[in-house]
Amino acid sequence: DAGVIQSPRHEVTEMGQEVTLRCKPISGHDYLFWYRQTMMRGLELLIYFNNNVPIDDSGMPEDRFSAKMPNASFSTLKIQPSEPRDSAVYFCASSWWQGGGTDTQYFGPGTRLTVL
Amino acid sequence: DAKTTQPPSMDCAEGRAANLPCNHSTISGNEYVYWYRQIHSQGPQYIIHGLKNNETNEMASLIITEDRKSSTLILPHATLRDTAVYYCIVRVPNQTGANNLFFGTGTRLTVIP
Repeated sequence: DAGVIQSPRHEVTEMGQEVTLRCKPISGHDYLFWYRQTMMRGLELLIYFNNNVPIDDSGMPEDRFSAKMPNASFSTLKIQPSEPRDSAVYFCASSWWQGGGTDTQYFGPGTRLTVL
Repeated sequence: DAKTTQPPSMDCAEGRAANLPCNHSTISGNEYVYWYRQIHSQGPQYIIHGLKNNETNEMASLIITEDRKSSTLILPHATLRDTAVYYCIVRVPNQTGANNLFFGTGTRLTVIP
């Protein structure tokens, strides 16, 4: 398996523009997570899905952020409009429940977003 | 909110064992201890997890104290490629809730040649 795939790897945009980040989880995984990492706040969980259904979005910073998972192999995180403070590395991760404490999350390489 | 306490940084000589401590004095009976690491500019990587018994895999060993209030991750023969930030996390697996995977600030391990 190729692992979790994220695109683009780097995104530079101007304030006010719409940004869409994409994620393809590992085949067979039923959980998908979106994280954001900054120097100030570290790694934060934004939202996660189970079987394509959003379970908890309490980590989403504000209404400018939205996430969808139309099917088991694709998810998007959208920011509209983008602001400079959204600049961060965004990670997608997926997992599946194997019992015995084993629900290892596998992370993608991340998307480095810069909003000018 | 962090349920774990880790030293901010540690050094280890290449080839020696790296012992990374973690305090989790408020751990609940159904919470596991997980370790992840993040090598610069990469996504976090799972290392190992355990409930109360010591665990070993191809990457590391996890030693959990009998009272489960602390644990130690052991990298038996550290290499330069082990330089990373190591996160200790306590959580209930497969449980809903956005606070279920709180990474905290971790320990920055530097392996010195």
